[in-house]
Amino acid sequence: NAGVMQNPRHLVRRRGQEARLRCSPMKGHSHVYWYRQLPEEGLKFMVYLQKENIIDESGMPKERFSAEFPKEGPSILRIQQVVRGDSAAYFCASSPSYESSYEQYFGPGTRLTVT
Amino acid sequence: AQKITQTQPGMFVQEKEAVTLDCTYDTSDQSYGLFWYKQPSSGEMIFLIYQGSYDEQNATEGRYSLNFQKARKSANLVISASQLGDSAMYFCAMKGGKLIFGQGTELSVKP
Repeated sequence: NAGVMQNPRHLVRRRGQEARLRCSPMKGHSHVYWYRQLPEEGLKFMVYLQKENIIDESGMPKERFSAEFPKEGPSILRIQQVVRGDSAAYFCASSPSYESSYEQYFGPGTRLTVT
Repeated sequence: AQKITQTQPGMFVQEKEAVTLDCTYDTSDQSYGLFWYKQPSSGEMIFLIYQGSYDEQNATEGRYSLNFQKARKSANLVISASQLGDSAMYFCAMKGGKLIFGQGTELSVKP
């Protein structure tokens, strides 16, 4: 049973380019969460999605960031016109339920570097 | 608002000794989950242990145990018989749906 898959593992973008990060949840999981980890910090929640729905985007920056989880295919975190401050590790997690007792399983992360 | 606090930026422990990593939390929710994750230098997030707010007994998973004191709102992680491979960042997190993480504690195990 494959775990949470994220690709690419490393992504380098120049300022002003777009970054697309992909996440395939564990089989049978319909709840996907994105987190960002800045250097020397803990993970910060960005957005929570179910299939075709954004449930909670309270942690998403208001501009340039968007997320989707289509009916078919992986969840995508999209960052437009990247800036140096977007350099971070972006983790995706999935769970079978939103309930507090259910563990979230993390992917290996995508490390974004903006030059 | 929910909040997790880890007050120890770094800890050292001698190999084979036990170590306690502190975590306090704040929430107005009645039902919540508390988690500990390990992040080695390779970067992945590894689940260690879970404690539910209604669980009466402290959670244990092998060498990991969670010292849950609900009235004090603390959920400290105890690692017994430390090993060199335990050197990593450790994050406490609370779940009321999404996970709220603390700042982490960097544990270094000395031979």
